[in-house]
Amino acid sequence: QQQVKQSPQSLIVQKGGISIINCAYENTAFDYFPWYQQFPGKGPALLIAIRPDVSEKKEGRFTISFNKSAKQFSLHIMDSQPGDSATYFCAASKGNAGNMLTFGGGTRLMVKP
Amino acid sequence: KAGVTQTPRYLIKTRGQQVTLSCSPISGHRSVSWYQQTPGQGLQFLFEYFSETQRNKGNFPGRFSGRQFSNSRSEMNVSTLELGDSALYLCASSFGGANEKLLFGSGTQLSVL
Repeated sequence: QQQVKQSPQSLIVQKGGISIINCAYENTAFDYFPWYQQFPGKGPALLIAIRPDVSEKKEGRFTISFNKSAKQFSLHIMDSQPGDSATYFCAASKGNAGNMLTFGGGTRLMVKP
Repeated sequence: KAGVTQTPRYLIKTRGQQVTLSCSPISGHRSVSWYQQTPGQGLQFLFEYFSETQRNKGNFPGRFSGRQFSNSRSEMNVSTLELGDSALYLCASSFGGANEKLLFGSGTQLSVL
């Protein structure tokens, strides 16, 4: 059962453009939604996270938009750079479940110079 | 500050063997989680340990087990290896509260022949 669906699977963006990755979840008990960035040969690293009482959160060039009624959230990368080329994962967890993350399938982002 | 350390980095085993993977969390972190990453199934939660007790468990067969020591270091064991167990096994640590920032190691790449 895939509880977090992520799209697209891959994305090519020109340098300076906006990268948008979308996720949808099924379990309304989820109350924490982080995004992770993973480079080849490395473990995932937390980029930014949001809780459902907030509709948007911005940190530098990264913004999460959250739509609780639609059970969807998205990551926007503004002014995308070649160094942003990596695989991005959305995830979700329940507050009473410790640190048990349910991940989306991942999006491979390539930013062309 | 040292990051999450996983050993070994690479491992090759044959079907039917067993394997033990090790994870040293960041100093002060009491929670250690394990994830399996494969191209087909993505990132899947295995289990989480906190203060030497298993706090959460994912949907993996009993061949997958783990433990945590008093110094918070953790090991996971896979018995009777199958070809499908070939994966990157990732360990993540945190202080132990719910929905905290997880810091991942670089993983152990297990190949089962």
